[in-house]
Amino acid sequence: GAGVSQSPSNKVTEKGKDVELRCDPISGHTALYWYRQSLGQGLEFLIYFQGNSAPDKSGLPSDRFSAERTGGSVSTLTIQRTQQEDSAVYLCASSFSGGAVGELFFGEGSRLTVL
Amino acid sequence: DAKTTQPPSMDCAEGRAANLPCNHSTISGNEYVYWYRQIHSQGPQYIIHGLKNNETNEMASLIITEDRKSSTLILPHATLRDTAVYYCIASPDRSNYQLIWGAGTKLIIKP
Repeated sequence: GAGVSQSPSNKVTEKGKDVELRCDPISGHTALYWYRQSLGQGLEFLIYFQGNSAPDKSGLPSDRFSAERTGGSVSTLTIQRTQQEDSAVYLCASSFSGGAVGELFFGEGSRLTVL
Repeated sequence: DAKTTQPPSMDCAEGRAANLPCNHSTISGNEYVYWYRQIHSQGPQYIIHGLKNNETNEMASLIITEDRKSSTLILPHATLRDTAVYYCIASPDRSNYQLIWGAGTKLIIKP
């Protein structure tokens, strides 16, 4: 597709379950980013991938959160043992290059609700 | 990292210019000012960015004061589709991925 694709668009889970969120970036974009947005708030940076370099995980809120990017393309954000405070919209973005001035292209987000 | 301050909400009449202010008094010399907007239930959309000089593109104009402590985003002819939350962000060290996002300005365009 032409834009950043995220799935699922909505996920409802029970506290303590693991969830996986998927991001398919724009073809040719080397940089990929994950953000979290709570209701009525701005975006909170989680993790950043640039090519084959080690990812910047400095924004991950706890060790229950992890992400990987396979083959420099698709990325999966995994949240283990979900808590109610994990409820938020998880946004993925990609760009031509990371660590430089440029435009981020965002997906529509995955809305996670933890009951 | 420079923080930005924006009014929580603004109204503008359809067809008029919408002027959205942003204060970034602690911005450093190598930090860019970015603007994004987020229409309800969608991902953020890039609008424009600048360092020192005023910038213009097909969507908007960005006016940055000479001391770089504030800026204004101008939508020249606002339409109902411009209703959104507008985020003003200062980027640290030319690395825009850790942009610090505040709560933004909710702009409502009224017919």
